[in-house]
Amino acid sequence: DAGVTQSPTHLIKTRGQQVTLRCSPKSGHDTVSWYQQALGQGPQFIFQYYEEEERQRGNFPDRFSGHQFPNYSSELNVNALLLGDSALYLCASSTWTGVSNQPQHFGDGTRLSIL
Amino acid sequence: ELKVEQNPLFLSMQEGKNYTIYCNYSTTSDRLYWYRQDPGKSLESLFVLLSNGAVKQEGRLMASLDTKARLSTLHITAAVHDLSATYFCAVDGGDDKIIFGKGTRLHILP
Repeated sequence: DAGVTQSPTHLIKTRGQQVTLRCSPKSGHDTVSWYQQALGQGPQFIFQYYEEEERQRGNFPDRFSGHQFPNYSSELNVNALLLGDSALYLCASSTWTGVSNQPQHFGDGTRLSIL
Repeated sequence: ELKVEQNPLFLSMQEGKNYTIYCNYSTTSDRLYWYRQDPGKSLESLFVLLSNGAVKQEGRLMASLDTKARLSTLHITAAVHDLSATYFCAVDGGDDKIIFGKGTRLHILP
């Protein structure tokens, strides 16, 4: 049973570029959340998708956008990249009814470096 | 706005010793999670605490939750080197928005 898978594992971009990160949730999960983890910090909640809609959003600018597909997979898009966007981006999946009673399952993340 | 504070942020201890990591949060919540993260790795779920007074134990780790004090603790008993990692607490701030603490980097000396 595959867990949460993210791609790519590493990515190098330059300022001003755009990037798309991908996530496939654990089998049986229908909710996907994205987090940004800067070096030495805790993960920060970006947004959560359920039924192909953004259900919750953290304190991130509109440059951060996402999408969820009918098969529950998700993409995170970041436009006009800044040096401060360099971080580990984590995807977590869960079941909608159990989001609070069960832990989210995290993928291995995408390490994004901005030059 | 929900804030989650952990302390200490860094802890170096010898094998065989006991210690406690504290997690305070600022607004009412009855759902708290503890995660472990090894360097360069993703987060591994350790405990889910859902009600006041909840206590869960797994091996040398024990977690508890006091919703009235807005405090959770992660207690380490007779530490071993394999427990060296960063430990995060995370709190459900409502509507399934999970807020993480900054983490406690635990280094256990042999």
